[in-house]
Amino acid sequence: DAGITQSPRHKVTETGTPVTLRCHQTENHRYMYWYRQDPGHGLRLIHYSYGVKDTDKGEVSDGYSVSRSKTEDFLLTLESATSSQTSVYFCAISDPRQRDHYGYTFGSGTRLTVV
Amino acid sequence: EDQVTQSPEALRLQEGESSSLNCSYTVSGLRGLFWYRQDPGKGPEFLFTLYSAGEEKEKERLKATLTKKESFLHITAPKPEDSATYLCAVQARLGNEKLTFGTGTRLTIIP
Repeated sequence: DAGITQSPRHKVTETGTPVTLRCHQTENHRYMYWYRQDPGHGLRLIHYSYGVKDTDKGEVSDGYSVSRSKTEDFLLTLESATSSQTSVYFCAISDPRQRDHYGYTFGSGTRLTVV
Repeated sequence: EDQVTQSPEALRLQEGESSSLNCSYTVSGLRGLFWYRQDPGKGPEFLFTLYSAGEEKEKERLKATLTKKESFLHITAPKPEDSATYLCAVQARLGNEKLTFGTGTRLTIIP
C-alpha cells in the first residue's frame, strides 16, 4: 500500500471498551486522515492531522479522539466503543505537492466490530 | 456544505459494452475532483484528479471528464477486471486538503 500500514486489520471488541487503531506511514507526508466507510454513507472524515500535534475534527468526530506525536504515526481512539462504531476504518495520507500523481493514498483498512 | 452524488448506484455491463458513470457535485469553490477505484476488502486506489471544467484525463479504458457541475467516468470496452466500486470525491478550495466522497458506483462486468 505504498508506504502506509494500518493495524490491526481486524478487531472485535466489547461495548464500552476503549480501542486504538494505528496508522503508520513511511512517506513523510504532512497530512494524515481517518475515514470510516459504511454502506449507504460512503467514506466520512473522522479526524485529520496537518502536522505533528496539529489535528482537527471531521464530520463524524463524536466518540473519537486522535493523536499524532510523530510524523509517521496517527492514532485513532474510540474512547468507549459503541455498536454504532462498527465499521471499516481507513487511514489516508497526502502531500499537496504530489496531488496530481498520487492523490490521496489509502491504507488497507481496519474492520472493527463492536459487540 | 459540500455534496457529491454518484449515479447509478450499481451497473452491470457485458464485456465490451461501453458506458459512463456520473458524479454530480456542489462545492464552495472547487480545488479538485478525484476518482478512485475500490476493490472488495481493500482501500481506495487513486485514478485521476481533475481541476477545471473541460479537463479530461485517460488511463487505459477509463476517461474522466469535468464540467462545472458534474464529472463523468467513461469506460470503453470494459473487461471483467474493471469490476469494482468507483468513488468520486471533491476538495474545496478552502477545505484544508479534506475530501468529501460520494457513495460510489458498483460496476460489474460480465464475461
